[in-house]
Amino acid sequence: NAGVMQNPRHLVRRRGQEARLRCSPMKGHSHVYWYRQLPEEGLKFMVYLQKENIIDESGMPKERFSAEFPKEGPSILRIQQVVRGDSAAYFCASSSGQGGISEAFFGQGTRLTVV
Amino acid sequence: DAKTTQPTSMDCAEGRAANLPCNHSTISGNEYVYWYRQIHSQGPQYIIHGLKNNETNEMASLIITEDRKSSTLILPHATLRDTAVYYCIVRASNTGFQKLVFGTGTRLLVSP
Repeated sequence: NAGVMQNPRHLVRRRGQEARLRCSPMKGHSHVYWYRQLPEEGLKFMVYLQKENIIDESGMPKERFSAEFPKEGPSILRIQQVVRGDSAAYFCASSSGQGGISEAFFGQGTRLTVV
Repeated sequence: DAKTTQPTSMDCAEGRAANLPCNHSTISGNEYVYWYRQIHSQGPQYIIHGLKNNETNEMASLIITEDRKSSTLILPHATLRDTAVYYCIVRASNTGFQKLVFGTGTRLLVSP
């Protein structure tokens, strides 16, 4: 859905560098979710954030990965000291709430390539 | 969340209806059925969701059996642009969209 904006669309990093992925949710949405899709695999949940709070980070690797969703500005997924295994498509989704009647919309993703 | 089972792949002729089945026999009373699709390597696109009643929107119809153990997504007039991987997902109404289980989905190929 065009409403969820992710940038950059493609990111190339050398091993050991930092990768910063940005996600601007749809207008009016305060819930953000990050998912990762490895080549030829399904999407896997990483982290769920609301403004200024991490709600659930159970899918995020314990080291090198962090996420934030500040009061102002986009949500950021940061990967420090990237390795080849971090190469994947990272998708962000947003929703207006978590109740049953809501939907979550995904952005077009950031494709990270580690060389 | 309940596990879903979908056929690996399906074919459909352009202009015909595409009926994509999904089995969710262990679904709980508070779990919704959601359908998303992923065209090539784009982001997943929301299609439709429902709890127990049949639903219809501009993209598709969702038919949920009375016992809620299975559902069918119907694309009434499939086009070539509907070629994608379709994911059937169940989600509890009292949780967010974390931990959606996308599985392997159904690869729908629409041919001329």
